[in-house]
Amino acid sequence: RKEVEQDPGPFNVPEGATVAFNCTYSNSASQSFFWYRQDCRKEPKLLMSVYSSGNEDGRFTAQLNRASQYISLLIRDSKLSDSATYLCVVEYGNKLVFGAGTILRVKS
Amino acid sequence: DVKVTQSSRYLVKRTGEKVFLECVQDMDHENMFWYRQDPGLGLRLIYFSYDVKMKEKGDIPEGYSVSREKKERFSLILESASTNQTSMYLCASSLPGLAGGLITYEQYFGPGTRLTVT
Repeated sequence: RKEVEQDPGPFNVPEGATVAFNCTYSNSASQSFFWYRQDCRKEPKLLMSVYSSGNEDGRFTAQLNRASQYISLLIRDSKLSDSATYLCVVEYGNKLVFGAGTILRVKS
Repeated sequence: DVKVTQSSRYLVKRTGEKVFLECVQDMDHENMFWYRQDPGLGLRLIYFSYDVKMKEKGDIPEGYSVSREKKERFSLILESASTNQTSMYLCASSLPGLAGGLITYEQYFGPGTRLTVT
């Protein structure tokens, strides 16, 4: 099993849609989880951390399910500017492991 | 605002050449990292450093070495470049984690160097 697995997509959605990505991880001892965003030909940037109780930042909601070892990201009211690759990131001891990313394309 | 800079955006080298990739950060971060990013594989950790002159192997260190003589600078060296090292190389830095070194804080990335080895 890969350390961090994501559906590569692409997810093609219309503006205003709600879209959700899931990510699974293999290390039950992991304590820290993140979603990073990477625009085309740009570097990854932190979108949000994922807390045990779930957390929300505007249109973005992140959830953690430790029992099933998966993390989700929900984007409501999608904007054209949300088009990017979303990277699921999991802490493994003294390093971060990045998933290969899920491509989101929001179309007008 | 954190800034991580990399010496080149694009680099073309020949097989067997020695290649130096430089990374500089201006936020006094203890931790620095080198990744490579390939389609379908995501970011893979090559080496990281949590202090000057300290280095740790990541998941794919073979064919690479690193140098950290100053806190702000972390260099990646390809001793003898090969075509399978053609990739996007990303440098990152971060503060140390709460446990005094565990990497749990946000990583700030440089713009990347796209290296082509012919």
